[in-house]
Amino acid sequence: DTEVTQTPKHLVMGMTNKKSLKCEQHMGHRAMYWYKQKAKKPPELMFVYSYEKLSINESVPSRFSPECPNSSLLNLHLHALQPEDSALYLCASSQGRGVYEKLFFGSGTQLSVL
Amino acid sequence: QKEVEQNSGPLSVPEGAIASLNCTYSDRGSQSFFWYRQYSGKSPELIMSIYSNGDKEDGRFTAQLNKASQYVSLLIRDSQPSDSATYLCAVGSGNTGKLIFGQGTTLQVKP
Repeated sequence: DTEVTQTPKHLVMGMTNKKSLKCEQHMGHRAMYWYKQKAKKPPELMFVYSYEKLSINESVPSRFSPECPNSSLLNLHLHALQPEDSALYLCASSQGRGVYEKLFFGSGTQLSVL
Repeated sequence: QKEVEQNSGPLSVPEGAIASLNCTYSDRGSQSFFWYRQYSGKSPELIMSIYSNGDKEDGRFTAQLNKASQYVSLLIRDSQPSDSATYLCAVGSGNTGKLIFGQGTTLQVKP
């Protein structure tokens, strides 16, 4: 089983809403990631959790708040987003032994902010 | 200079031909190199990884790495229309400890 599961697949929210994106993996990986990808651009790293501790935070606006309840789960809490935050949000995981690792991506959440 | 550079394309090849995708990187300390395939509206899928100089083959795919020239490539033999996608080169940076993605090359395989 090499699957990273993300929910929901699509999300439309207003600028005053609060929502959460969820990610789950059962590969025993110890590192989990959030990426943001705009159309025709490469993925941009937002956050990295390694062994359930936030290890990389790419100075993302505070309206994005990550949470890692355990080694299999990763959430991204969204509040007061802007239209320019509309993008594909990708969760990924890796074994966690080092940073030069294969990432396995979930199917993503396509987010639209109105 | 971008950390990881790819020609955005589109690269157009006829069905059955060899597609050659190229990537250069700036960090000489980089140790790991990956190719991801991404279909439109979908997430990236890992197709190849390479860590040492030379060639690595997996089915119709061959990754080539030349650390002296800071160059990594992906060859796709017997290209199929289903190979039409964006191919992302990713490099594990020795400086930042992060995976750096190139802009991606769009491949079109015409029947």
